[in-house]
Amino acid sequence: SQTIHQWPATLVQPVGSPLSLECTVEGTSNPNLYWYRQAAGRGLQLLFYSVGIGQISSEVPQNLSASRPQDRQFILSSKKLLLSDSGFYLCACMIQGAGELFFGEGSRLTVL
Amino acid sequence: GNSVTQMEGPVTLSEEAFLTINCTYTATGYPSLFWYVQYPGEGLQLLLKATKADDKGSNKGFEATYRKETTSFHLEKGSVQVSDSAVYFCALDRGSTLGRLYFGRGTQLTVWP
Repeated sequence: SQTIHQWPATLVQPVGSPLSLECTVEGTSNPNLYWYRQAAGRGLQLLFYSVGIGQISSEVPQNLSASRPQDRQFILSSKKLLLSDSGFYLCACMIQGAGELFFGEGSRLTVL
Repeated sequence: GNSVTQMEGPVTLSEEAFLTINCTYTATGYPSLFWYVQYPGEGLQLLLKATKADDKGSNKGFEATYRKETTSFHLEKGSVQVSDSAVYFCALDRGSTLGRLYFGRGTQLTVWP
């Protein structure tokens, strides 16, 4: 079965600093990959999704970017963090045809 | 458009009480419906799902029935436990191959002994 690893688990960064959150998937190949953000009291917001290497779709305009350099690697980045980027970031994957999302443990980002 | 509206929380219950968390949806086509659960400090896990009208999803004593006529997928459990304390998310998948899920805002459930 698939396993999703996210790191770091917790991150405290100053405003204006860069960001890199990494997600890797094991146990499957060619998954759809997703980055969600969970802000306090606001539920889950889809930020990016990818159906293959180098293919990134953005759901909302924002200060963040995503990349998929390998089939099972998904990276969330920012060049300059804003206070509003604070939140709980979740990576997820969907196996083709499975109809179910599998989530990683999440990365909690606090921007000060 | 596609959207999910679920009951605002928090919900606080005593152990063995009956639970209902309401969820209604708006969608084009024939979506699949899901309930995900998030335990403290963790990511989300699939709790149950239903892929067509009148299907009932069930798991760990939780149930939800896909009601197309009322566009609802309410989550129920007859007797909650302290270990059920978590945030519950209703979601829909409109059925495209992209697998893009639309989530509700989540409902915090706290169960007291």
